[in-house]
Amino acid sequence: EPEVTQTPSHQVTQMGQEVILRCVPISNHLYFYWYRQILGQKVEFLVSFYNNEISEKSEIFDDQFSVERPDGSNFTLKIRSTKLEDSAMYFCASSKSRDRINEQYFGPGTRLTVT
Amino acid sequence: GENVEQHPSTLSVQEGDSAVIKCTYSDSASNYFPWYKQELGKRPQLIIDIRSNVGEKKDQRIAVTLNKTAKHFSLHITETQPEDSAVYFCAARGNQFYFGTGTSLTVIP
Repeated sequence: EPEVTQTPSHQVTQMGQEVILRCVPISNHLYFYWYRQILGQKVEFLVSFYNNEISEKSEIFDDQFSVERPDGSNFTLKIRSTKLEDSAMYFCASSKSRDRINEQYFGPGTRLTVT
Repeated sequence: GENVEQHPSTLSVQEGDSAVIKCTYSDSASNYFPWYKQELGKRPQLIIDIRSNVGEKKDQRIAVTLNKTAKHFSLHITETQPEDSAVYFCAARGNQFYFGTGTSLTVIP
């Protein structure tokens, strides 16, 4: 069964550094998402992406964040200048369609630790 | 925007008993309500979902009910087993997915 994959599984970075989190969505899916989960808290929506552009973004997704689909398979989340409060698990997800309300499939997550 | 509230935050039941988790939402435009199970350190996994044109859905020991008028939906797990122990999140889908705060379910053998 196809799965969403994410790399790396754990990223440690120093405050102020840039990080890029990578995701490979399920191949026939068209909608891509990034979520954040601070340890012990709920999953928070960051951004959705369709047709090479952002569809929706939350208030968390400020100018420090950007997303990109650099090729036909990868979907990346970049944090330009990391802050301590960016430490969290970042989940990528994909779905076949938004309008048809299909379920999202989550990747295994990347644990980001900012020191 | 949407506001999803989930109760209780923790729930302990004896093996074989039922567990019920409740969520409310605020945006009447929300039309899709999935439930996710998240085991420690793992990804959220969809266990059941319900769309706004359906009042109840069942899959073996798991069922979900939706009351659109009252804007609440519930997860019911019957004949609980120790492997049901996990954190369960509800979500509501309008323009975005909004997640509840999670319920930590412990099934005591």
